Amino acid sequence: AQTVTQSQPEMSVQEAETVTLSCTYDTSESNYYLFWYKQPPSRQMILVIRQEAYKQQNATENRFSVNFQKAAKSFSLKISDSQLGDTAMYFCAFMPTSGTYKYIFGTGTRLKVLA
Amino acid sequence: NAGVMQNPRHLVRRRGQEARLRCSPMKGHSHVYWYRQLPEEGLKFMVYLQKENIIDESGMPKERFSAEFPKEGPSILRIQQVVRGDSAAYFCASSPPQGGTGNTIYFGEGSWLTVV
Repeated sequence: AQTVTQSQPEMSVQEAETVTLSCTYDTSESNYYLFWYKQPPSRQMILVIRQEAYKQQNATENRFSVNFQKAAKSFSLKISDSQLGDTAMYFCAFMPTSGTYKYIFGTGTRLKVLA
Repeated sequence: NAGVMQNPRHLVRRRGQEARLRCSPMKGHSHVYWYRQLPEEGLKFMVYLQKENIIDESGMPKERFSAEFPKEGPSILRIQQVVRGDSAAYFCASSPPQGGTGNTIYFGEGSWLTVV
């Protein structure tokens, strides 16, 4: 079975500081995609960043970057220069390239950015 | 370019009633997915549909839940005889036909069902 684990239920960070959210996953697939989604208080699911497993280079999107360690099955999200608007739930998700577009989500990390 | 549209955003039903949630995919998208988010949990896959076809319903409860995506009109998630445990956020997502960019699916804003 494929699983996604987010071991930090809650985290906080001071505004302008850097924070790293952890995510590990378990799969026997060799090819897959990994995602981080943000869910602010509005509850909308917003795609933050995406990583393709066959690419060794870590994905970056402005202040957001990932540390993808395929052998360790680890996919952490780093948020630099944290802003108050980054306060949200963050979900890590996995999707194999084979079969249907079935995302598997972790249970989330609640991030609070402190002024 | 309208995103994935879901309605209603909020729905309150008494136990035993039926709930119908609608989803219109993004323009050009022919694949629709439904996910459920129980309080304080991550999203769980329910069903994957294409026009007039259910492709994967492995996440759907065996009873009371059904989904369709007709040739014309929105996708419908139907919950019959709702119980308190059905209270959740139901997210619809859509994607273009397989081969789209990065296997990304695009979520709507969710429909919040409360069963009283």
